[in-house]
Amino acid sequence: AQSVTQLGSHVSVSEGALVLLRCNYSSSVPPYLFWYVQYPNQGLQLLLKYTTGATLVKGINGFEAEFKKSETSFHLTKPSAHMSDAAEYFCAVSLRAQKLVFGQGTRLTINP
Amino acid sequence: DVKVTQSSRYLVKRTGEKVFLECVQDMDHENMFWYRQDPGLGLRLIYFSYDVKMKEKGDIPEGYSVSREKKERFSLILESASTNQTSMYLCASWGAPGNQPQHFGDGTRLSIL
Repeated sequence: AQSVTQLGSHVSVSEGALVLLRCNYSSSVPPYLFWYVQYPNQGLQLLLKYTTGATLVKGINGFEAEFKKSETSFHLTKPSAHMSDAAEYFCAVSLRAQKLVFGQGTRLTINP
Repeated sequence: DVKVTQSSRYLVKRTGEKVFLECVQDMDHENMFWYRQDPGLGLRLIYFSYDVKMKEKGDIPEGYSVSREKKERFSLILESASTNQTSMYLCASWGAPGNQPQHFGDGTRLSIL
């Protein structure tokens, strides 16, 4: 069965610092991978997705993620954090099926 | 842009009540989903539907039912609300399963007193 693990339920960085949110998945076949962001009192919004092709994927708001098959990872990064990046981030995996499996979420805090 | 609309942002109900949460999407998507979101647990799938009048149990269907009479509308029903169903409920629609993203509503924060 597929599963997704996000390492760290809370991550705190300083404004301008590198953001790194970790996601590992388990899957017996190549998955489709997604990162979503949730701002307070809102639904989930797609940040980026990996399906096939280039393993480095660029998304909205300066975020990017790299699919590493050998490490079964899909970590999310942003070179320079902004106060507006404070939110909860979810990694999700789909096996071309009708369901997404979500990680537990990582709450990102930005310190001034 | 896809629009997924949940009928209420905040809802307060009493234990034992029958509760209806409504969700409407405007993109003619076949697939619709109900999740509940709790701190530290991420999103857990309650029910989903891949066609009108069709439904499938997700990971935590106990205490819930759903209705899909029209393609654009997917309702979640708490048959007899209990305090452990206090949560954030998120509806999503999905036009092409697999490599396309799901689109989410803004959520309903439900409190059962």
